Amino acid sequence: DTAVSQTPKYLVTQMGNDKSIKCEQNLGHDTMYWYKQDSKKFLKIMFSYNNKELIINETVPNRFSPKSPDKAHLNLHINSLELGDSAVYFCASSPFRSGGTQYFGPGTRLTVL
Amino acid sequence: SQELEQSPQSLIVQEGKNLTINCTSSKTLYGLYWYKQKYGEGLIFLMMLQKGGEEKSHEKITAKLDEKKQQSSLHITASQPSHAGIYLCGADGVVQGAQKLVFGQGTRLTINP
Repeated sequence: DTAVSQTPKYLVTQMGNDKSIKCEQNLGHDTMYWYKQDSKKFLKIMFSYNNKELIINETVPNRFSPKSPDKAHLNLHINSLELGDSAVYFCASSPFRSGGTQYFGPGTRLTVL
Repeated sequence: SQELEQSPQSLIVQEGKNLTINCTSSKTLYGLYWYKQKYGEGLIFLMMLQKGGEEKSHEKITAKLDEKKQQSSLHITASQPSHAGIYLCGADGVVQGAQKLVFGQGTRLTINP
Protein backbone atom coordinates (compact mmCIF):
# COMPACT_ATOMS: atom_id res chain seq x y z
CA ASP A 1 0.00 0.00 0.00
CA THR A 2 2.82 2.37 -0.98
CA ALA A 3 1.60 5.96 -0.98
CA VAL A 4 3.83 7.36 -3.74
CA SER A 5 5.60 4.89 -6.00
CA GLN A 6 8.09 5.39 -8.81
CA THR A 7 9.47 3.13 -11.50
CA PRO A 8 12.16 2.29 -12.23
CA LYS A 9 14.27 2.70 -9.11
CA TYR A 10 17.50 2.69 -11.11
CA LEU A 11 18.08 3.74 -14.71
CA VAL A 12 21.42 3.51 -16.49
CA THR A 13 21.55 4.70 -20.07
CA GLN A 14 23.74 6.19 -22.77
CA MET A 15 23.93 9.84 -23.74
CA GLY A 16 21.44 10.76 -26.41
CA ASN A 17 18.85 8.17 -25.42
CA ASP A 18 15.26 8.91 -24.43
CA LYS A 19 13.87 7.55 -21.16
CA SER A 20 10.75 7.79 -19.01
CA ILE A 21 10.10 7.63 -15.28
CA LYS A 22 6.65 6.83 -13.95
CA CYS A 23 5.01 7.98 -10.75
CA GLU A 24 1.75 6.99 -9.10
CA GLN A 25 0.12 8.12 -5.86
CA ASN A 26 -2.77 6.43 -4.07
CA LEU A 27 -3.36 9.19 -1.52
CA GLY A 28 -6.12 10.88 -3.46
CA HIS A 29 -4.05 14.06 -3.69
CA ASP A 30 -4.74 16.75 -6.26
CA THR A 31 -1.17 17.92 -6.82
CA MET A 32 1.97 16.12 -7.93
CA TYR A 33 5.58 17.22 -8.33
CA TRP A 34 8.89 16.26 -9.87
CA TYR A 35 12.11 17.16 -8.04
CA LYS A 36 15.74 16.71 -9.03
CA GLN A 37 18.42 15.97 -6.43
CA ASP A 38 21.92 16.52 -7.75
CA SER A 39 25.18 14.96 -6.59
CA LYS A 40 25.53 17.58 -3.85
CA LYS A 41 22.13 16.56 -2.51
CA PHE A 42 20.41 19.81 -3.47
CA LEU A 43 16.73 19.07 -3.96
CA LYS A 44 14.98 21.39 -6.43
CA ILE A 45 11.51 21.43 -7.84
CA MET A 46 11.16 20.91 -11.57
CA PHE A 47 7.42 20.69 -12.23
CA SER A 48 4.12 20.79 -10.42
CA TYR A 49 0.78 19.49 -11.71
CA ASN A 50 -2.68 20.03 -10.28
CA ASN A 51 -5.47 17.81 -11.57
CA LYS A 52 -3.53 17.13 -14.77
CA GLU A 53 -2.74 20.82 -15.30
CA LEU A 54 0.84 22.11 -15.32
CA ILE A 55 1.14 24.86 -12.70
CA ILE A 56 4.87 25.19 -12.04
CA ASN A 57 7.66 24.82 -14.58
CA GLU A 58 10.99 25.82 -13.12
CA THR A 59 12.87 26.70 -16.31
CA VAL A 60 13.68 23.11 -17.00
CA PRO A 61 15.12 22.32 -20.48
CA ASN A 62 12.56 21.40 -23.12
CA ARG A 63 14.08 17.93 -23.24
CA PHE A 64 12.11 17.23 -20.05
CA SER A 65 8.41 16.73 -20.65
CA PRO A 66 6.06 15.79 -17.84
CA LYS A 67 2.73 14.15 -18.59
CA SER A 68 -0.20 13.60 -16.28
CA PRO A 69 -2.82 11.23 -17.71
CA ASP A 70 -4.89 11.57 -14.53
CA LYS A 71 -4.41 13.14 -11.13
CA ALA A 72 -2.94 9.95 -9.66
CA HIS A 73 -0.15 9.68 -12.23
CA LEU A 74 2.68 11.96 -13.28
CA ASN A 75 5.32 10.70 -15.69
CA LEU A 76 8.56 12.31 -16.72
CA HIS A 77 9.97 11.81 -20.19
CA ILE A 78 13.50 12.92 -20.97
CA ASN A 79 14.76 13.26 -24.55
CA SER A 80 18.38 13.28 -25.72
CA LEU A 81 19.84 12.53 -22.31
CA GLU A 82 22.99 14.40 -21.29
CA LEU A 83 25.65 13.63 -18.69
CA GLY A 84 24.36 16.48 -16.52
CA ASP A 85 20.97 14.80 -16.27
CA SER A 86 22.46 12.19 -13.94
CA ALA A 87 20.71 12.68 -10.62
CA VAL A 88 18.03 11.25 -8.39
CA TYR A 89 14.54 12.24 -9.47
CA PHE A 90 11.80 12.31 -6.86
CA CYS A 91 8.09 12.39 -7.36
CA ALA A 92 5.87 13.85 -4.65
CA SER A 93 2.22 14.62 -4.05
CA SER A 94 0.25 16.94 -1.79
CA PRO A 95 -3.45 17.29 -1.05
CA PHE A 96 -3.93 20.80 -2.42
CA ARG A 97 -2.53 23.08 -5.08
CA SER A 98 -1.60 25.78 -2.56
CA GLY A 99 -0.25 23.67 0.28
CA GLY A 100 -0.29 20.68 2.54
CA THR A 101 2.42 18.21 3.40
CA GLN A 102 4.20 16.76 0.40
CA TYR A 103 4.79 13.01 0.41
CA PHE A 104 7.71 11.71 -1.60
CA GLY A 105 8.35 8.60 -3.62
CA PRO A 106 11.51 6.50 -3.19
CA GLY A 107 13.35 8.22 -6.03
CA THR A 108 14.77 7.10 -9.37
CA ARG A 109 18.54 7.18 -9.69
CA LEU A 110 19.38 8.09 -13.28
CA THR A 111 22.92 7.56 -14.52
CA VAL A 112 23.83 8.79 -17.98
CA LEU A 113 27.04 7.32 -19.41
CA SER B 1 14.06 34.20 -3.86
CA GLN B 2 14.12 32.40 -0.54
CA GLU B 3 17.22 30.46 0.46
CA LEU B 4 17.75 28.05 3.33
CA GLU B 5 21.10 27.40 4.94
CA GLN B 6 21.53 24.28 7.07
CA SER B 7 24.26 23.77 9.62
CA PRO B 8 26.23 21.74 10.10
CA GLN B 9 26.47 20.13 6.67
CA SER B 10 27.54 16.89 8.27
CA LEU B 11 27.56 15.61 11.80
CA ILE B 12 29.06 12.53 13.43
CA VAL B 13 27.93 11.73 16.95
CA GLN B 14 28.30 8.89 19.38
CA GLU B 15 25.20 6.80 19.96
CA GLY B 16 23.30 8.11 22.95
CA LYS B 17 24.44 11.73 22.51
CA ASN B 18 22.14 14.67 21.85
CA LEU B 19 22.49 16.80 18.71
CA THR B 20 21.00 19.85 17.02
CA ILE B 21 20.64 20.77 13.36
CA ASN B 22 19.85 24.34 12.35
CA CYS B 23 18.01 25.76 9.37
CA THR B 24 18.23 29.51 8.68
CA SER B 25 16.09 31.27 6.12
CA SER B 26 16.88 34.41 4.12
CA LYS B 27 13.23 35.46 4.45
CA THR B 28 10.36 35.01 6.90
CA LEU B 29 9.16 31.45 7.07
CA TYR B 30 5.43 30.88 6.55
CA GLY B 31 5.79 27.17 6.96
CA LEU B 32 8.82 25.00 7.59
CA TYR B 33 9.00 21.27 6.90
CA TRP B 34 11.54 18.81 8.23
CA TYR B 35 12.21 15.62 6.27
CA LYS B 36 14.59 12.73 6.73
CA GLN B 37 16.18 10.88 3.84
CA LYS B 38 17.84 7.48 4.11
CA TYR B 39 20.18 6.30 1.38
CA GLY B 40 18.25 4.87 -1.54
CA GLU B 41 14.93 5.97 -0.12
CA GLY B 42 12.63 8.89 -0.48
CA LEU B 43 12.05 11.72 1.95
CA ILE B 44 10.13 10.87 5.08
CA PHE B 45 8.04 13.67 6.54
CA LEU B 46 8.92 14.44 10.14
CA MET B 47 7.22 17.66 11.21
CA MET B 48 5.81 20.94 10.00
CA LEU B 49 5.98 24.24 11.87
CA GLN B 50 4.06 27.41 11.13
CA LYS B 51 3.77 29.68 14.13
CA GLY B 52 6.56 31.69 15.69
CA GLY B 53 7.77 29.94 18.83
CA GLU B 54 6.09 26.69 17.85
CA GLU B 55 7.62 23.44 19.03
CA LYS B 56 6.70 19.90 18.02
CA SER B 57 8.01 16.54 19.13
CA HIS B 58 7.86 13.05 17.73
CA GLU B 59 9.53 10.32 19.74
CA LYS B 60 13.03 11.66 20.42
CA ILE B 61 12.99 14.39 17.79
CA THR B 62 11.95 17.96 18.62
CA ALA B 63 11.66 20.78 16.10
CA LYS B 64 11.29 24.46 16.93
CA LEU B 65 10.57 27.60 14.93
CA ASP B 66 11.94 30.80 16.43
CA GLU B 67 9.72 33.75 17.30
CA LYS B 68 10.93 35.78 14.31
CA LYS B 69 10.18 32.83 12.01
CA GLN B 70 13.55 32.89 10.30
CA GLN B 71 15.25 29.95 11.95
CA SER B 72 14.31 26.42 12.88
CA SER B 73 16.18 23.80 14.82
CA LEU B 74 15.87 20.04 14.98
CA HIS B 75 17.03 18.40 18.19
CA ILE B 76 17.55 14.68 18.68
CA THR B 77 17.82 13.35 22.20
CA ALA B 78 19.77 10.17 23.01
CA SER B 79 20.58 9.45 19.37
CA GLN B 80 20.25 5.93 17.97
CA PRO B 81 21.60 4.31 14.79
CA SER B 82 18.10 4.56 13.31
CA HIS B 83 18.45 8.36 13.37
CA ALA B 84 21.24 8.26 10.78
CA GLY B 85 20.44 9.84 7.43
CA ILE B 86 20.16 13.19 5.70
CA TYR B 87 17.91 15.78 7.29
CA LEU B 88 16.37 18.41 5.03
CA CYS B 89 14.42 21.51 5.91
CA GLY B 90 11.98 22.91 3.37
CA ALA B 91 10.39 26.38 3.32
CA ASP B 92 6.77 26.58 2.29
CA GLY B 93 5.93 29.15 -0.33
CA VAL B 94 3.26 29.91 -2.89
CA VAL B 95 3.95 30.90 -6.49
CA GLN B 96 0.97 31.81 -8.69
CA GLY B 97 -1.35 30.07 -6.26
CA ALA B 98 0.73 26.91 -6.24
CA GLN B 99 2.82 25.49 -3.42
CA LYS B 100 6.56 25.60 -3.92
CA LEU B 101 8.96 24.10 -1.39
CA VAL B 102 12.52 25.39 -1.26
CA PHE B 103 14.96 23.05 0.47
CA GLY B 104 18.19 23.51 2.36
CA GLN B 105 21.26 21.60 1.26
CA GLY B 106 20.75 18.91 3.89
CA THR B 107 22.65 17.74 6.96
CA ARG B 108 24.20 14.29 6.83
CA LEU B 109 23.99 12.62 10.26
CA THR B 110 26.15 9.62 11.15
CA ILE B 111 25.70 7.80 14.44
CA ASN B 112 28.68 5.85 15.72
CA PRO B 113 27.93 2.85 17.94
